[in-house]
Amino acid sequence: DAGVTQSPTHLIKTRGQQVTLRCSPKSGHDTVSWYQQALGQGPQFIFQYYEEEERQRGNFPDRFSGHQFPNYSSELNVNALLLGDSALYLCASQALNTEAFFGQGTRLTVV
Amino acid sequence: EDQVTQSPEALRLQEGESSSLNCSYTVSGLRGLFWYRQDPGKGPEFLFTLYSAGEEKEKERLKATLTKKESFLHITAPKPEDSATYLCAVERSAGGGNKLTFGTGTQLKVEL
Repeated sequence: DAGVTQSPTHLIKTRGQQVTLRCSPKSGHDTVSWYQQALGQGPQFIFQYYEEEERQRGNFPDRFSGHQFPNYSSELNVNALLLGDSALYLCASQALNTEAFFGQGTRLTVV
Repeated sequence: EDQVTQSPEALRLQEGESSSLNCSYTVSGLRGLFWYRQDPGKGPEFLFTLYSAGEEKEKERLKATLTKKESFLHITAPKPEDSATYLCAVERSAGGGNKLTFGTGTQLKVEL
């Protein structure tokens, strides 16, 4: 079992650009959540996808959007990047109402 | 709003020196409290889920306990490989979804 896989592992973008991060969930999981983790902080919930719909959303602006595909994989899109968007972006997958398993994350640096 | 506070922020132990990490929480209807371990630059690794006050779970040198207001992660005779950041998170039972609210973590360093 490959677990939760995320790509890319590292990314450098310029302010104002757009970025897409990808996540493949653990086998048997149908729910995907995205978190942002700044250095020295705990992960902050961005949103969750289930059955290809956004099921729950945290306090993040509309610049953050996502998508879930029929195979349960997911993308996180961030538009008009700001320096403050630099963080570790984590994807977590789970079967509904079970514990979440996290991927290794994508380190995004905005310059 | 759900809140999770972890203490201490950092902890330095000698190998074999047992200690406890604290997680205080405020949540409107707790569905579960979760402990994760995170190594630098990596994603959190699931350790335990606790669902109700009085529940305890163990794994190797770690034991997690839960009361109505806080959880403890007890580390018995730690080894250097236990060095990591330990994160606590809560999930509420109402409102649908499985959003986790995390604390800022306790950074544990175990020295020889």
